[in-house]
Amino acid sequence: GNSVTQMEGPVTLSEEAFLTINCTYTATGYPSLFWYVQYPGEGLQLLLKATKADDKGSNKGFEATYRKETTSFHLEKGSVQVSDSAVYFCAHMDSNYQLIWGAGTKLIIKP
Amino acid sequence: DGGITQSPKYLFRKEGQNVTLSCEQNLNHDAMYWYRQDPGQGLRLIYYSQIVNDFQKGDIAEGYSVSREKKESFPLTVTSAQKNPTAFYLCASGGGEPTDTQYFGPGTRLTVL
Repeated sequence: GNSVTQMEGPVTLSEEAFLTINCTYTATGYPSLFWYVQYPGEGLQLLLKATKADDKGSNKGFEATYRKETTSFHLEKGSVQVSDSAVYFCAHMDSNYQLIWGAGTKLIIKP
Repeated sequence: DGGITQSPKYLFRKEGQNVTLSCEQNLNHDAMYWYRQDPGQGLRLIYYSQIVNDFQKGDIAEGYSVSREKKESFPLTVTSAQKNPTAFYLCASGGGEPTDTQYFGPGTRLTVL
């Protein structure tokens, strides 16, 4: 069935480090892919998305490329800041137009 | 300002009581969703609605009920049949198309005492 697998957290990095959060999915066809971010005590915000293979989504220095050959959508950022500390969720849209969610990866950035 | 509002932000109820969580959107979105989030876990879909006066069960609908009488509103009732209702509840809306983003409200944290 459809699923999304994210790397387990927490991921702890120092400020200005390079970030990768892995995400792979299982789905039929070529679903739209999303990264959402959740700051403590808040709802989720869309970070970026890609709607077809080889698309690259980008926002606030974060990037992710839709790789259909590896069914992956890894999130990257070249230089993280303390303000990037949050929980990051990967998701894909299934054939019923519902989002299938990963479990989330908590990111902690230390000054 | 366009967006999704949920109220209240924090809600406390005694065991055995029904409680209704509010969700309103002024984004003119057709589709609305309710999710439950437990600590350290991802989101689980409770109910969703693609159009007014129609809604479908999600993965964990037991013990919950919804209505969609207006496009802007999608209230969720947590009934006494829900065995473990303490959680963070998130409402979202979207265009309902495969490429559409879902936009989330700030959430309601429900604690059953």
